Amino acid sequence: EAQVTQNPRYLITVTGKKLTVTCSQNMNHEYMSWYRQDPGLGLRQIYYSMNVEVTDKGDVPEGYKVSRKEKRNFPLILESPSPNQTSLYFCASSSMTTGTSPLHFGNGTRLTVT
Amino acid sequence: GQQVMQIPQYQHVQEGEDFTTYCNSSTTLSNIQWYKQRPGGHPVFLIQLVKSGEVKKQKRLTFQFGEAKKNSSLHITATQTTDVGTYFCAGSSIYNFNKFYFGSGTKLNVKP
Repeated sequence: EAQVTQNPRYLITVTGKKLTVTCSQNMNHEYMSWYRQDPGLGLRQIYYSMNVEVTDKGDVPEGYKVSRKEKRNFPLILESPSPNQTSLYFCASSSMTTGTSPLHFGNGTRLTVT
Repeated sequence: GQQVMQIPQYQHVQEGEDFTTYCNSSTTLSNIQWYKQRPGGHPVFLIQLVKSGEVKKQKRLTFQFGEAKKNSSLHITATQTTDVGTYFCAGSSIYNFNKFYFGSGTKLNVKP
């Protein structure tokens, strides 16, 4: 089944403790991206990647890192999480690098930073 | 910077009534996509519009892309309880196709 898999679904952590949210897709998509969803703000793009070893900042990259060592995986890293990073995170992938194809979203990761 | 505004933020309708959500961008878009997110779920792609003035229909849903490619709308005729969810528009800039800008979403509640 074609899908984008995120783990974990829920995560509670403390300020400053490094964490990684994993994202994997089995559709051979070149394009992958991360979003955070906050009430009233919609989805805001954190980082995106057009292919292996090619990443770029979205609208809200501060406090986040990503890597794209393999085509299928695009982990989101929070080196030193802070409470303002409490949010619902979605990973998404798409089949084209021009951004004109539908985004396929994972099920989301709800992160709480205390 | 680029902004995509979406109104209204919330809409409560009686089943059978129509519903419309509007999306406006501060700059010209290369395309616009619409997504639906059910409560507790993830956004699911509905449709993409690319051409200026384009209109597309999916059963009771009608999507329009403005002539200037800066605005779009989604209209649902005769809403049903299965239409409940949050509807998002998302556009990519003509200057950078890889950056998607989502509207803040319209949360639709349908009373049976």
